[in-house]
Amino acid sequence: DTGVSQDPRHKITKRGQNVTFRCDPISEHNRLYWYRQTLGQGPEFLTYFQNEAQLEKSRLLSDRFSAERPKGSFSTLEIQRTEQGDSAMYLCASSSGNQETQYFGPGTRLLVL
Amino acid sequence: AQSVTQLGSHVSVSEGALVLLRCNYSSSVPPYLFWYVQYPNQGLQLLLKYTSAATLVKGINGFEAEFKKSETSFHLTKPSAHMSDAAEYFCAVTPTLNSNSGYALNFGKGTSLLVTP
Repeated sequence: DTGVSQDPRHKITKRGQNVTFRCDPISEHNRLYWYRQTLGQGPEFLTYFQNEAQLEKSRLLSDRFSAERPKGSFSTLEIQRTEQGDSAMYLCASSSGNQETQYFGPGTRLLVL
Repeated sequence: AQSVTQLGSHVSVSEGALVLLRCNYSSSVPPYLFWYVQYPNQGLQLLLKYTSAATLVKGINGFEAEFKKSETSFHLTKPSAHMSDAAEYFCAVTPTLNSNSGYALNFGKGTSLLVTP
C-alpha cells in the first residue's frame, strides 16, 4: 500500500493556459474524490468517481473543469483557460467498497499568475 | 446539506496543556464525523472517525473525540499537547453512503493549533 499519489506537487502557470493534474489512488480503491482547498479554508468537494463512472459534480466545477478516470484506476483533472481564482491546492482521495474513510494524497498546489 | 462549524480559527496552548478543538455539526440524522490533521504543504491525515458505534472515539497520536447528539458536537481533545501537534485540524461530516456522491465530505474551515514551549 503506497498511498495516494498526485503529480505534479506544484504547478505555476499563466492565466489562460490549460493544466492537467494526475491522481493515482490506492490500488483497488474503487472510489475516487477530488477536492479544492483555498488558502485558509477547508477542502471543498469537486467531483466523485465510482470506478470509471463520474457520478457527482459540485457546482464549483465550472465548464472549464473536466475530470476523467478512464480505466477506473488513475484520474486526471484538467482546467482549461485558467484564471487567478483557480489558484488553490487540489486534493485527491480514495476509498474502497463501502468504507467511509478516505485517504488523501499530498495535493497539487496550483498558482495562476 | 450537512455541515460542520469549527469554533475558533486559531487555538494556542502551552506544551503539556489540554488541547480542545471544537466542532458542531448540523444533521437531522446521525452522520459520519471525522477529524483530519494537515501539516504544512501536505495532504490530510485521518485522526479519528465516528460511525455510530462507540460515542467516545480514540484516534492516533493520543487524540480522542466524543460524539454528543444532544449538543450536536464532536469536539477533539488531547490531554497533553506536544510541539509536534502544531498543525491545521479539520472536522468533516458525511451522510451515510449516497449512490451519487459516495461519502463526499463537507469540511469545516479548520482550526490552526499553535503549541508554545
